Amino acid sequence: QVQLVESGGGVVQPGRSLKLSCAASEITFGSYGMTWVRQAPGQGLEWMAVVSYDGSEKYYVDSVKGRFTVSRDNSKNTAYLQLNSLRPEDTAVYYCAKAVGSGFHDAFDIWGQGTMVTVSS
Amino acid sequence: SYELTQPPSVSVSPGQTASITCSGNRLGDKYASWYQQQPGQSPVLVIYQDTKRPSGIPERFSGSNSGNTATLTISGTQAMDEADYYCQAWDSSTVVFGGGTKLTVL
Repeated sequence: QVQLVESGGGVVQPGRSLKLSCAASEITFGSYGMTWVRQAPGQGLEWMAVVSYDGSEKYYVDSVKGRFTVSRDNSKNTAYLQLNSLRPEDTAVYYCAKAVGSGFHDAFDIWGQGTMVTVSS
Repeated sequence: SYELTQPPSVSVSPGQTASITCSGNRLGDKYASWYQQQPGQSPVLVIYQDTKRPSGIPERFSGSNSGNTATLTISGTQAMDEADYYCQAWDSSTVVFGGGTKLTVL
């Protein structure tokens, strides 16, 4: 069964960094684009970033450009989201999700369980 | 930036048809997807490429997309369909989600 498992969340002070991981199993990981989506408490889904199947293309929502970095290691079946200069408003559950296809203009058919990031002093 | 607008809430009686709309400029020129999110759970894809249902999604879920509006239709709505629903589309190389609609089955 296809599964995505996020890790790396936690409580961090403003201005600090975290690196989230998304480990995939039972899929040909290197064939699919991957995305990160967050959800603040009681709020809706907010898209963060997407990386193409081979890592050659990456795009971000304007609000995190220059602070967040998406990457992937296909040899490890893992995608990453590096969160720098964290702010209290970055507090959210962060989900990774697999694209139906190679990465762009696709829907996202498999989602992880999410990892909570809390930014607080 | 591109925006998708959904009604905050929709109510439907059990067995009736629920329609949830998603509006955006020339949305019909793009593919729309829909996700269901139960409380405390991860989102689940229920419709993609406007009208397609992933494996395992009941036939009562259907979608359409034309002009500026995409619509998720749930026929014969069941209590288990009560959830938040989000539309999603791509605008150039970025992903956009609608604000979400809480579907209440009462």
